[in-house]
Amino acid sequence: RKEVEQDPGPFNVPEGATVAFNCTYSNSASQSFFWYRQDCRKEPKLLMSVYSSGNEDGRFTAQLNRASQYISLLIRDSKLSDSATYLCVVNIGQGGKLIFGQGTELSVKP
Amino acid sequence: EAGVAQSPRYKIIEKRQSVAFWCNPISGHATLYWYQQILGQGPKLLIQFQNNGVVDDSQLPKDRFSAERLKGVDSTLKIQPAKLEDSAVYLCASSLNSPAGQPQHFGDGTRLSIL
Repeated sequence: RKEVEQDPGPFNVPEGATVAFNCTYSNSASQSFFWYRQDCRKEPKLLMSVYSSGNEDGRFTAQLNRASQYISLLIRDSKLSDSATYLCVVNIGQGGKLIFGQGTELSVKP
Repeated sequence: EAGVAQSPRYKIIEKRQSVAFWCNPISGHATLYWYQQILGQGPKLLIQFQNNGVVDDSQLPKDRFSAERLKGVDSTLKIQPAKLEDSAVYLCASSLNSPAGQPQHFGDGTRLSIL
C-alpha cells in the first residue's frame, strides 16, 4: 500500500465548476499535511497547509479527518489558471520529511 | 529573495556514465533536500541535510548515488554509474529548519535523461 494515495486523474472540468480531490495516508504518526501545486515541467509549490479544523483560502478549501486518515481539497469556481497537478503531501515525524502522493491532474476547459 | 538555484537544467547521458547536480538553497536555510521525481509520480525524498549533516538518506541508492553538503550551504548529488531507471527530474528543496510543518521551497529541478 502506498503511503499517500490520491484520486487517479485526470480531471477535466469546465470553467466555473467545483472540483474535489481526495487523498488518504497510511501512517497514523503523520503530523502535518499540505497540498502542493505543480505546473507542467515546473517545480512543486505550496498551495496550502491543511489543519484539523479545516481551512479556506479564497476558492480553495482543505479538510483533514485524522480518524479516517483522509485529506481533501475543494476548488470552487474553477479558473483556466487552476490547470495543474495537485499533490497531496504528508509530513511524518519531527524531521520535516515529506511524503508525496502521485498527484492528480486537473484540466480546466473554457 | 532569491530562490533555490539548481544546475544544470537538463542533462543527457548514456547509461553507465556519471553525472552530478548542484544546488544552492535559499540563503539562511539550514535544511536541504534532494528529491527524485519520475514521470507521472510525486517527488520521492532521496536525502535530507541539516546544515552539513545527513538527517535521512534511507531512500538513497547508496551503491550508485552520493550527496554532500560540505560547508552546510550548497550541495551536490552524484550518480555513478547511471542506469536507465534514473531518468527523472531531480529536485532540490530547502527550508529554514526541519521541524514538521516548515514549508519547503523547491528549485526548478534538473531533468536527467539516460540513453
